[in-house]
Amino acid sequence: AQSVTQLGSHVSVSEGALVLLRCNYSSSVPPYLFWYVQYPNQGLQLLLKYTSAATLVKGINGFEAEFKKSETSFHLTKPSAHMSDAAEYFCAVRETGRRALTFGSGTRLQVQP
Amino acid sequence: DADVTQTPRNRITKTGKRIMLECSQTKGHDRMYWYRQDPGLGLRLIYYSFDVKDINKGEISDGYSVSRQAQAKFSLSLESAIPNQTALYFCATSASGGAEEQYFGPGTRLTVT
Repeated sequence: AQSVTQLGSHVSVSEGALVLLRCNYSSSVPPYLFWYVQYPNQGLQLLLKYTSAATLVKGINGFEAEFKKSETSFHLTKPSAHMSDAAEYFCAVRETGRRALTFGSGTRLQVQP
Repeated sequence: DADVTQTPRNRITKTGKRIMLECSQTKGHDRMYWYRQDPGLGLRLIYYSFDVKDINKGEISDGYSVSRQAQAKFSLSLESAIPNQTALYFCATSASGGAEEQYFGPGTRLTVT
């Protein structure tokens, strides 16, 4: 069964520091991969997605993610954190042939001034 | 106006009561989904529907039922609410296709006492 693992339920960084949020999936076939963000008291919105067109995917708000097949990873990064990045981030996967997404457990990002 | 709306936004109900959560979308999408979010567990799929006549159970459908009244409307019912159904519930929609983005509603916070 498809699973998604997000390492670290809470990540804290200083404003201006690198943001790295980790996501690993278990699949023998490269799936579709997504990162969603949830701001307080809101629904989820798409940050970026991988669909096999390019291994480095750029998203909104300066975020990007790199698909690494050998590591079965799709980590999310941002070079310089901003206070407004404080939110919960979810990695999600849709495996070929499956009809729905599977979400990771989420990582809450805290940005310290 | 929001593309995906959910009503009610907050609801407190008692154990054993029947409750319905409603979702409407103006995206024109065929696919609709219901998730529940619990702290530390991410989003888990309850039911999904790929068109009006296609309804499928997700990973945690026990205790829930759904109705797809029209392309734009997808309701979730708790026939006899229990306290462990206290959670944040999200409706989402997407167009057809494996890599299509899901658009989320603002959520319904349900408390069962």
